[in-house]
Amino acid sequence: DTEVTQTPKHLVMGMTNKKSLKCEQHMGHRAMYWYKQKAKKPPELMFVYSYEKLSINESVPSRFSPECPNSSLLNLHLHALQPEDSALYLCASSQELAGTSNEQFFGPGTRLTVL
Amino acid sequence: AQKVTQAQTEISVVEKEDVTLDCVYETRDTTYYLFWYKQPPSGELVFLIRRNSFDEQNEISGRYSWNFQKSTSSFNFTITASQVVDSAVYFCALSEVNTGNQFYFGTGTSLTVIP
Repeated sequence: DTEVTQTPKHLVMGMTNKKSLKCEQHMGHRAMYWYKQKAKKPPELMFVYSYEKLSINESVPSRFSPECPNSSLLNLHLHALQPEDSALYLCASSQELAGTSNEQFFGPGTRLTVL
Repeated sequence: AQKVTQAQTEISVVEKEDVTLDCVYETRDTTYYLFWYKQPPSGELVFLIRRNSFDEQNEISGRYSWNFQKSTSSFNFTITASQVVDSAVYFCALSEVNTGNQFYFGTGTSLTVIP
């Protein structure tokens, strides 16, 4: 199984809502990532988890809150978002942290719209 | 400074033509890895290839081939006999072993194959 799954596929939320994005992988990977991608731009790294611990936080606003309940799951909790947060949110996993030979496998993404 | 440069923003070719996507990278590390990913309109980033800095052998996989040249810091990607299904955004990426864990993406090249 070389698949990373993400739910939901699409999400529309108001600025006062609280929602969560979910990501799951069953490849035994120990590193998981959240990226944000705006249209016609490359993915921007948000968070990295390694062995279920937060390893990198790329100065992301606190309205984004990651959580790694176990080695297969990664959540991104959203609260009080702004319209400019509308984007494609991609989850990825790799055997270990990037920076070694390990390619990242990406999920299909959640397309988020903030009204 | 941009670590990975994809100078071609958009390319259009007619089906069955060959097309080369350019990627130029910048690093001071002696050990690093280069990647190509494909992102079709559905949004998922699909891993295509990984190459490490010590292996300059060119690689061919079906209609895809990659030309890695350390002397010019380039890792170009050629699609032979292009097909409509090749239409996508293609990202080149770099990861450095000694300078942390980050994946550096280029800005992407949008390829349109016209039937």
